[in-house]
Amino acid sequence: QKEVEQDPGPLSVPEGAIVSLNCTYSNSAFQYFMWYRQYSRKGPELLMYTYSSGNKEDGRFTAQVDKSSKYISLFIRDSQPSDSATYLCAALQYNFNKFYFGSGTKLNVKP
Amino acid sequence: EAGVAQSPRYKIIEKRQSVAFWCNPISGHATLYWYQQILGQGPKLLIQFQNNGVVDDSQLPKDRFSAERLKGVDSTLKIQPAKLEDSAVYLCASSSPPRDRAGYTFGSGTRLTVV
Repeated sequence: QKEVEQDPGPLSVPEGAIVSLNCTYSNSAFQYFMWYRQYSRKGPELLMYTYSSGNKEDGRFTAQVDKSSKYISLFIRDSQPSDSATYLCAALQYNFNKFYFGSGTKLNVKP
Repeated sequence: EAGVAQSPRYKIIEKRQSVAFWCNPISGHATLYWYQQILGQGPKLLIQFQNNGVVDDSQLPKDRFSAERLKGVDSTLKIQPAKLEDSAVYLCASSSPPRDRAGYTFGSGTRLTVV
């Protein structure tokens, strides 16, 4: 079993839709959870990170972690064509300073 | 702040040839990582440096891959000899403890095609 599992998609939505991207993880020792956005032919860029359980909001983006079910989510409100990219979730067990990445979900927001 | 610089951006080589990639991390970042990202997959850690020492190279195929970080700044990753399955994007990232819990900064990567 992979440390972090992510549905590869692709996910295609109309502009303005609410997007839900999800990951599950297996290691209960993970403490930090991140979402990266990766445009074609670019390196991943950090969108958001959260510590332990709970929600974190940044503009149109909300990251959610449920440690009881080992579930990580990213919600995008009012999605825009510029949000079209691959979204990678990642988890960190801090004392090992090692990130584990999901395989990425490709999102396409149609105008 | 300048980002993580990588070169070259693209490289095409024949199998059994050798290739080297270069990374210049963000100034002052002590930790440097090399990742391999195969098309359609998430990044896989190859090697992690803390200053000029190796912290984790458990997933580095040491029979053909090598990496060094002289003087704790720039780093090079080498593949010799290359195989077809080495075709991937090689990403360099850097971070600065204790901020690394907030994630790394990645470079744009080197896209390697082995034919």
